[in-house]
Amino acid sequence: RKEVEQDPGPFNVPEGATVAFNCTYSNSASQSFFWYRQDCRKEPKLLMSVYSSGNEDGRFTAQLNRASQYISLLIRDSKLSDSATYLCVVNRDNYGQNFVFGPGTRLSVLP
Amino acid sequence: ETGVTQSPTHLIKTRGQQVTLRCSSQSGHNTVSWYQQALGQGPQFIFQYYREEENGRGNFPPRFSGLQFPNYSSELNVNALELDDSALYLCASSIGTSREQYFGPGTRLTVT
Repeated sequence: RKEVEQDPGPFNVPEGATVAFNCTYSNSASQSFFWYRQDCRKEPKLLMSVYSSGNEDGRFTAQLNRASQYISLLIRDSKLSDSATYLCVVNRDNYGQNFVFGPGTRLSVLP
Repeated sequence: ETGVTQSPTHLIKTRGQQVTLRCSSQSGHNTVSWYQQALGQGPQFIFQYYREEENGRGNFPPRFSGLQFPNYSSELNVNALELDDSALYLCASSIGTSREQYFGPGTRLTVT
């Protein structure tokens, strides 16, 4: 089993739709969590950090459930520009740092 | 833009050769991490440097080595290149070892 797993995708949704991505991690010692987006043939860009209390940034909402070792990302009112691969990232611990990326879930927002 | 730069942008090498990739971190960032990303996969952690010392290593053989300089820029060296080393190599900088990482544009390495 991979340390970080994500919905396999791809997700094809119409503009304006709400879409949710799920991510699970196996290492219970994981300390911090992030969502990145990656456009085709570009570098990953930080979308948001994920906090235990959940956090929201405009149309994007991230949730963390430490007990279930589960992270989610909700995108409301999808735009064409949201089309990208979304990467779930888990930071194992605070020593000998090791950010573990999930395989990513590809989203295509269709007109 | 993140302010993280990498060079070169693209590189073609022959199996068995050696390669050096370079990364300049964002101003104020003292930590650099290197990743290998194969097509269609998420980035795989190679190693991290914090204040010029290696601070963690992923599951990569010793022929992958690195350096960090006093100005926090970094190099990734790969010896005895193999065909499977063909990938996008990303560096990411951060303030400290557990904070958000910001990526450079990557170096696309092709080994023939």
